[in-house]
Amino acid sequence: DGGITQSPKYLFRKEGQNVTLSCEQNLNHDAMYWYRQDPGQGLRLIYYSQIVNDFQKGDIAEGYSVSREKKESFPLTVTSAQKNPTAFYLCASSKSRGTLAKNIQYFGAGTRLSVL
Amino acid sequence: GQSLEQPSEVTAVEGAIVQINCTYQTSGFYGLSWYQQHDGGAPTFLSYNALDGLEETGRFSSFLSRSDSYGYLLLQELQMKDSASYFCAVNYGQNFVFGPGTRLSVLP
Repeated sequence: DGGITQSPKYLFRKEGQNVTLSCEQNLNHDAMYWYRQDPGQGLRLIYYSQIVNDFQKGDIAEGYSVSREKKESFPLTVTSAQKNPTAFYLCASSKSRGTLAKNIQYFGAGTRLSVL
Repeated sequence: GQSLEQPSEVTAVEGAIVQINCTYQTSGFYGLSWYQQHDGGAPTFLSYNALDGLEETGRFSSFLSRSDSYGYLLLQELQMKDSASYFCAVNYGQNFVFGPGTRLSVLP
């Protein structure tokens, strides 16, 4: 079955530690995204990538980094510079590339990050 | 800037019809989408409007009016399983901006 896989489901970070969240998709989608969701809030865009080896900052990129070495993979690193990392992190992908066609995002199940 | 507004909560009874509004202060977007998210789960796509007017998908319909800077999601024949959060989102090509979400509670 095609879809988006995020791992781990739960992650704990120690102060000063970098942690990496995995996101893999087998939908052959060009675009991939990372969002942060705080309790009772909407989704805020961290980074997105339209093609391999290219990515753009979203609204809250500070303290995060990404890479896009393969079409299927878009890992997110939460660095020690992110002072308030506790949140629900969602990865998504979409097929369309800047057209007026319906642009649907497909989401993974998410990773809950907490600080120890 | 880009800003979308939604009511924070809506309550309705099973079998009823409910409308969730989304107003925005932005322009130049390609379309308005709606997503459903159950507690602890991932958002799932419901409906999309590229043009003004009504789009119908089963029990769910969505409407967009660019001249009035608003859209809405209409849920008919409400079921208990419709209790969830609903988000509107605009897309600028590959960049998406989501609204704060509306929590819908369906009562028996």
